[in-house]
Amino acid sequence: DTAVSQTPKYLVTQMGNDKSIKCEQNLGHDTMYWYKQDSKKFLKIMFSYNNKELIINETVPNRFSPKSPDKAHLNLHINSLELGDSAVYFCASSQPPSGGAYEQYFGPGTRLTVT
Amino acid sequence: AQSVTQPDIHITVSEGASLELRCNYSYGATPYLFWYVQSPGQGLQLLLKYFSGDTLVQGIKGFEAEFKRSQSSFNLRKPSVHWSDAAEYFCAVGALSGKLTFGTGTRLTIIP
Repeated sequence: DTAVSQTPKYLVTQMGNDKSIKCEQNLGHDTMYWYKQDSKKFLKIMFSYNNKELIINETVPNRFSPKSPDKAHLNLHINSLELGDSAVYFCASSQPPSGGAYEQYFGPGTRLTVT
Repeated sequence: AQSVTQPDIHITVSEGASLELRCNYSYGATPYLFWYVQSPGQGLQLLLKYFSGDTLVQGIKGFEAEFKRSQSSFNLRKPSVHWSDAAEYFCAVGALSGKLTFGTGTRLTIIP
């Protein structure tokens, strides 16, 4: 059973288009995240949701909008795609223990290429 | 603000040799530290984590890491590498908010 899944795995689109990436986790976790990995492999958090509530919102353009219909899903919608949006986007989930930190489980990634 | 430094961009070791990947962190409170591995075209897999207690932690695939507060380090080690260990390795520090801050990664190449 796949713990954290993402669709699609690859996404090629043109500048100016709008696209969505979907993420689902079957681990029963309360918290989900989106990360962006650039061409130099640098990973940076974009958003996190806890039980459908936005918790972390890093400095991300307004063109990026996460949506969490329920705690098992966190989708990422991107408007007016730009060349610089080309990257690998990872979804992750975690279940924070009481007073503890968060080990996160990552999906396989979605490689977005904007032409 | 939390940050992680991985000083080695690329390391090459012979199969069967020992390995140490360096990681230094900056965090204002007790750090929660992680090592992840990313194989080509794959997602990130958690190797091990440190929250508290014993400063030497064991992980999967024969990896271990040692937390040294005085040096702000959390280096990853393996006594004998296998060709399948070739991958990108990321050190990360976690805040109670859930935010993970990653280092820039170390690419490990294994030569026969």
